[in-house]
Amino acid sequence: SYDLTQPPSVSASPGQTASITCSGEKLGNKFVSWYQQKPGQSPLLVMYRHTKRPSGIPERFSGSNSENTATLTISVTQAVDEADYYCQAWDSGTVIFGGGTKLTVL
Amino acid sequence: VHLQESGPGLVKTSETLSLTCTVSGGTVNNGGFYWTWIRQHPQRGLEWIGYIYYTGDTTYNPSLESRVVISMDTSKNSFSLELKSVTAADTALYFCARDNYFYDSGSRESKFDSWGQGTLVTVSS
Repeated sequence: SYDLTQPPSVSASPGQTASITCSGEKLGNKFVSWYQQKPGQSPLLVMYRHTKRPSGIPERFSGSNSENTATLTISVTQAVDEADYYCQAWDSGTVIFGGGTKLTVL
Repeated sequence: VHLQESGPGLVKTSETLSLTCTVSGGTVNNGGFYWTWIRQHPQRGLEWIGYIYYTGDTTYNPSLESRVVISMDTSKNSFSLELKSVTAADTALYFCARDNYFYDSGSRESKFDSWGQGTLVTVSS
């Protein structure tokens, strides 16, 4: 089965850049989506097709994908960005989620 | 589009979990989407359960395939999940979601752009 690996936690100070990685074999050949989930809420799509932001997602969210790693970058991190973030891809007919990364804004 | 899960919040061990997702503001009878069930164990990550296409074609998570059935009712604009022989390990927050898929150069993108609020199902004897 295909696995996506994320660091359990990432921290950033307000105004700094936070980067969350997602690793998988030949992930660069797959389309990666990212979701933000705050406590008590449903996940929210924040990035798809590596670099595309859905309507309403701030420009400080950006994405990249190469070889075996996809990265979600949040520039000028704000307290409101504190949440769990999940990467997701499709492989051989099934949907795979990463284990999630808790972003703490210190 | 709005998705809303409904069903019992408590299911007895070894019985069948049944949930329905009612869609408003759009139709499930639309080839542009896969209609999906996803669950989240307490304090854990997301687990894809499976999805159904408007044709009735289904695909399930291999780890759950033997116990899962997803069906669709176009007359009620809804789709449903049945999970058989449940145990405490099936206690989770269950979400329905819309997969706004995309194909390019033989590769598929699966992205969930609309989600229900989730419904907590507890399995207990």
